[in-house]
Amino acid sequence: DTGVSQDPRHKITKRGQNVTFRCDPISEHNRLYWYRQTLGQGPEFLTYFQNEAQLEKSRLLSDRFSAERPKGSFSTLEIQRTEQGDSAMYLCASSSGSWWETAGELFFGEGSRLTVL
Amino acid sequence: AQSVTQLGSHVSVSEGALVLLRCNYSSSVPPYLFWYVQYPNQGLQLLLKYTTGATLVKGINGFEAEFKKSETSFHLTKPSAHMSDAAEYFCAVSSNTGNQFYFGTGTSLTVIP
Repeated sequence: DTGVSQDPRHKITKRGQNVTFRCDPISEHNRLYWYRQTLGQGPEFLTYFQNEAQLEKSRLLSDRFSAERPKGSFSTLEIQRTEQGDSAMYLCASSSGSWWETAGELFFGEGSRLTVL
Repeated sequence: AQSVTQLGSHVSVSEGALVLLRCNYSSSVPPYLFWYVQYPNQGLQLLLKYTTGATLVKGINGFEAEFKKSETSFHLTKPSAHMSDAAEYFCAVSSNTGNQFYFGTGTSLTVIP
């Protein structure tokens, strides 16, 4: 088990372009979360999947953002028409089992850093 | 809805001194509470957690936290700071279903030799 992996680790793009990030959770982890973290801030919740179902979406997730988790395995986060304010670290985390069993231990990837010029 | 507030974005302590990082929560349901640590250039990792039962919970590296419902607090403490404790610390709260999992803005801990 290699942990949560995210790709790409760094992405530089021009304003208005679309970008897509991929997250591969730990095998068999049914829960997957996306967060955004800017310098000096805590991770901001974006969205949550249980298996393939997207169960929660933050108000931060504007209509330019879309996330998918087909087949309940890897997940993608797409940002359309990027803006400079989208520059941040995008974090993916996964966890397994019922919530009261694993009691909230999220395993985080190292993140995908987005820079919008 | 759940949220957490971390008081003090930066805390400095001398090596060997008490570490106290403050966290207050807001939750409409019984909360699950967590402290995560982020070392420079590393990902977040779980330090300790409270779900149910004993209100004083112990974590890794000598840290502990106490859940105080009457004060809606979950402060993190360590009796004696080490240089290796310098990091960013995040308090987090979730519902008992895990559908929502929210972090505070973080407290940067500096340990002075």
